[in-house]
Amino acid sequence: EAGVVQSPRYKIIEKKQPVAFWCNPISGHNTLYWYLQNLGQGPELLIRYENEEAVDDSQLPKDRFSAERLKGVDSTLKIQPAELGDSAVYLCASSLAPGANTGELFFGEGSRLTVL
Amino acid sequence: QKEVEQDPGPLSVPEGAIVSLNCTYSNSAFQYFMWYRQYSRKGPELLMYTYSSGNKEDGRFTAQVDKSSKYISLFIRDSQPSDSATYLCATRASGTYKYIFGTGTRLKVLA
Repeated sequence: EAGVVQSPRYKIIEKKQPVAFWCNPISGHNTLYWYLQNLGQGPELLIRYENEEAVDDSQLPKDRFSAERLKGVDSTLKIQPAELGDSAVYLCASSLAPGANTGELFFGEGSRLTVL
Repeated sequence: QKEVEQDPGPLSVPEGAIVSLNCTYSNSAFQYFMWYRQYSRKGPELLMYTYSSGNKEDGRFTAQVDKSSKYISLFIRDSQPSDSATYLCATRASGTYKYIFGTGTRLKVLA
């Protein structure tokens, strides 16, 4: 079974340019997460989706970041315009609804962004 | 104070050693505990997923949770150079989607 798929793996852009990352979660996982991971740090949540609905976007910098999950499967995270401080790894993850025997969080390989 | 504290390392051990990786947490509501392995330039890979206190073993890996002291551990027996990676602990409360991660411990197993 395929895991969480992300693209692109690497992206280098100049500041003020736009960038978009794509994620395809594990089949059957209704919950999708976008995390930000800076060097030497653990992942930090940007946004969580339940199907098509963004149910937790409190940590998403909405002035420049946006996300969508059309049809409740694939998701796209966009940054416009990018700033130098946005250089990081953007991780997509998915899970079943957290319950007594579920709730494991599975990550993709990440999209590494470098802003010059 | 961070909700989950983890020593960043790096931790260097000789091949074959028993490795002990640890995290502490502050919120007694946390019920589920995870360990992830992250190789350089890769995404985190789930190693262990445990509920409440006790031990869970999977091959050379043992996860241990002590809720009374809010302390979680991952033991790696017979460590191999291929175990060299960053190990992240994570936790969440029951019924929530909020996963809290440690900063990760870099482990290097020397051949």
